[in-house]
Amino acid sequence: SAVISQKPSRDICQRGTSLTIQCQVDSQVTMMFWYRQQPGQSLTLIATANQGSEATYESGFVIDKFPISRPNLTFSTLTVSNMSPEDSSIYLCSVIERSYEQYFGPGTRLTVT
Amino acid sequence: AQSVTQLGSHVSVSEGALVLLRCNYSSSVPPYLFWYVQYPNQGLQLLLKYTSAATLVKGINGFEAEFKKSETSFHLTKPSAHMSDAAEYFCAVSDLGNEKLTFGTGTRLTIIP
Repeated sequence: SAVISQKPSRDICQRGTSLTIQCQVDSQVTMMFWYRQQPGQSLTLIATANQGSEATYESGFVIDKFPISRPNLTFSTLTVSNMSPEDSSIYLCSVIERSYEQYFGPGTRLTVT
Repeated sequence: AQSVTQLGSHVSVSEGALVLLRCNYSSSVPPYLFWYVQYPNQGLQLLLKYTSAATLVKGINGFEAEFKKSETSFHLTKPSAHMSDAAEYFCAVSDLGNEKLTFGTGTRLTIIP
């Protein structure tokens, strides 16, 4: 399966600031996804990022808060903007490799103080 | 919209005993179903998937799951629990033609020595 890395692995940020999370894949993939996992909760899809097009956001998530870039087939970034303590979560990227098989990065653990 | 329900947020079994984690789905069309495992401070790992082929699906680490349309279930089992199985397990669903995943709330599996 694809090897997926994320940077940073964890961070502690002050409210009102922004953090950009990077997701790097060791092979070219068409579809990438960004998920949020709030403390003790399940995963919620934030957006789908396809190379060459605007990201598609799920209900409850907006581009101004979570801008996404997808400059090529192996890389994507998610920015968490104007952070508040409610944004404290694990953020995970994922890719589709084989048919309907989705693989996840190790996650970025964000704490907002 | 499709959804999955995981019965039991916490399950404890003795080492060597049968593991049974329950997942029921709700979908208007035959879905694709998945089980993922998340070890502490790690990302998600795909255990197995059902994509309308054999109803009994074998995955990694000795786990298997059976798709039962009549019961709208996709329960995860392992004949003999090992200490290394202690983790969070997530059931997920996607519709044919839509690769976005909807996750259940997760089941934390504890293995008793």
